[in-house]
Amino acid sequence: SQKIEQNSEALNIQEGKTATLTCNYTNYSPAYLQWYRQDPGRGPVFLLLIRENEKEKRKERLKVTFDTTLKQSLFHITASQPADSATYLCAPHNAGNMLTFGGGTRLMVKP
Amino acid sequence: DGGITQSPKYLFRKEGQNVTLSCEQNLNHDAMYWYRQDPGQGLRLIYYSQIVNDFQKGDIAEGYSVSREKKESFPLTVTSAQKNPTAFYLCASSWQGPHNEQFFGPGTRLTVL
Repeated sequence: SQKIEQNSEALNIQEGKTATLTCNYTNYSPAYLQWYRQDPGRGPVFLLLIRENEKEKRKERLKVTFDTTLKQSLFHITASQPADSATYLCAPHNAGNMLTFGGGTRLMVKP
Repeated sequence: DGGITQSPKYLFRKEGQNVTLSCEQNLNHDAMYWYRQDPGQGLRLIYYSQIVNDFQKGDIAEGYSVSREKKESFPLTVTSAQKNPTAFYLCASSWQGPHNEQFFGPGTRLTVL
């Protein structure tokens, strides 16, 4: 069955450093992969979409990579700020044309 | 002011009761979705609808029902058949097509007493 793995342990980093979050998927080959941010008690907010033929996508301090051979996407936040603290969800596209969401990784940026 | 709204924010129900969660959007999106989120877990798809008067079961549809009589509305009923209904429920909408982002509402936290 299709499976998505994100590090369930919180990632703690110092302000100004680069945060790197990992999303691994198995048993399918998504044509698209999306990343969302979710704050406690709120709905997710879309951040970036990357296509299978794109190796990398950037938006301001955010960068996403998509390695279809490794079946992995990496999500980077450069020059991280305490306001970046949240849970980040990856959502590869599944065979039924829907998004399948990972469990998310909580990022804590300390001042 | 475009967006997607859910009500109520918090909902309590007794075991054995059905309850309906509201979801409205004024983004003119064709597609709407219902997800369930449990603590520390990802979103799981309950139902989705790509057009008015049509909807499809997601991964965990048992114990839930929906309707899509209007483009802007997609209410979810949690029935007494749902064994473990306490969860955070999220509604979303999007344009048609797999590459489009989903816009989420603020969620409804349902607690069964």
